[in-house]
Amino acid sequence: DTAVSQTPKYLVTQMGNDKSIKCEQNLGHDTMYWYKQDSKKFLKIMFSYNNKELIINETVPNRFSPKSPDKAHLNLHINSLELGDSAVYFCASSHSSWSTQYFGPGTRLTVL
Amino acid sequence: TQLLEQSPQFLSIQEGENLTVYCNSSSVFSSLQWYRQEPGEGPVLLVTVVTGGEVKKLKRLTFQFGDARKDSSLHITAAQPGDTGLYLCAGFRAGNMLTFGGGTRLMVKP
Repeated sequence: DTAVSQTPKYLVTQMGNDKSIKCEQNLGHDTMYWYKQDSKKFLKIMFSYNNKELIINETVPNRFSPKSPDKAHLNLHINSLELGDSAVYFCASSHSSWSTQYFGPGTRLTVL
Repeated sequence: TQLLEQSPQFLSIQEGENLTVYCNSSSVFSSLQWYRQEPGEGPVLLVTVVTGGEVKKLKRLTFQFGDARKDSSLHITAAQPGDTGLYLCAGFRAGNMLTFGGGTRLMVKP
């Protein structure tokens, strides 16, 4: 009965590779988000989608491309991975853009 | 420079002590939230404060929103080892975007 789930939990890859992280929510929410948490635990929003449409893109390099096939899913594809992309990526969802956000367990990405 | 500054960044105390964590900004927020994050997990919402001067209590945790809606504090009474974690404040700004503070890492030793 997991509310917001992400796969994989851990991802270790080489520089230059392309990888994807998947997110699914079973809460029936309309809005989904991707956040990046760096090594200092600073959590910053990357993208926000509402009903499959992009509404927030916080100056994220275009190597990052979110895709929302339906309201319950928001996947994150990253091209040409760089060392600085190493972080924990959190997916979250909420009923609307101003209501409580529920976070997934995170995906720890390590770029070697 | 972060929009929301949390202090202290780290706090290590003994079980039974009281503590206060601060979240400050020069900007006004429509509401402020406090989250707690445990290792290997995502943040979990503890409380939302909306009205300037508002005080909310959650068992041993007391949350206060500043009168000018620019700052907030979290006070824990008689801390327990189970309170150990990363405490994050977050505020809604333009476009209903949630902005997080840098976090306070709390360790409560038995």
